[in-house]
Amino acid sequence: SQTIHQWPATLVQPVGSPLSLECTVEGTSNPNLYWYRQAAGRGLQLLFYSVGIGQISSEVPQNLSASRPQDRQFILSSKKLLLSDSGFYLCAWSKQIGQPQHFGDGTRLSIL
Amino acid sequence: QQPVQSPQAVILREGEDAVINCSSSKALYSVHWYRQKHGEAPVFLMILLKGGEQKGHDKISASFNEKKQQSSLYLTASQLSYSGTYFCGTESASGGSNYKLTFGKGTLLTVNP
Repeated sequence: SQTIHQWPATLVQPVGSPLSLECTVEGTSNPNLYWYRQAAGRGLQLLFYSVGIGQISSEVPQNLSASRPQDRQFILSSKKLLLSDSGFYLCAWSKQIGQPQHFGDGTRLSIL
Repeated sequence: QQPVQSPQAVILREGEDAVINCSSSKALYSVHWYRQKHGEAPVFLMILLKGGEQKGHDKISASFNEKKQQSSLYLTASQLSYSGTYFCGTESASGGSNYKLTFGKGTLLTVNP
């Protein structure tokens, strides 16, 4: 069966520090991968998605970036965090259009 | 474009029914439904593909009216475990591949004893 791992679960970072969040999927090949951000009490905002290694589509201009160095690995990064980057970050995968998206447990990021 | 969900919030007593609606201004390929409990990740409930189908999952079912680009989620004989925020996510039927979901703002469902 397929599983998705996302870490860390919580993270507290100072303003201006770098960020690296990692997500890996097991049990499937060539998945579509997604990064979402959710502000407290709000909906899911799609940040990036990838349909293959090295292929990244950005949905929202911001100081975040994403990379997919391996088929089942998706990384969210920032060189300098802003206060507005706080939130709940979720990684998800799906097999193809018309198939469910399955979410990781999320990373709760607080910026001080 | 973001689908519109209604109502924004609903409070039920255990055993009561609820309907959550999701509408889009774009032609849709599919509608997904997810439930998210506080502090947790969203969990997939069901997906409906264009063709105007209806699906059921225990006491939770959904319909998709392709002509109106609307979907409804039906929760019958609600249980305490149904509490959470329900999101619909839509995939566009526009030309070419479209790999992303656009989520509505969510409907907060609270089931009280």
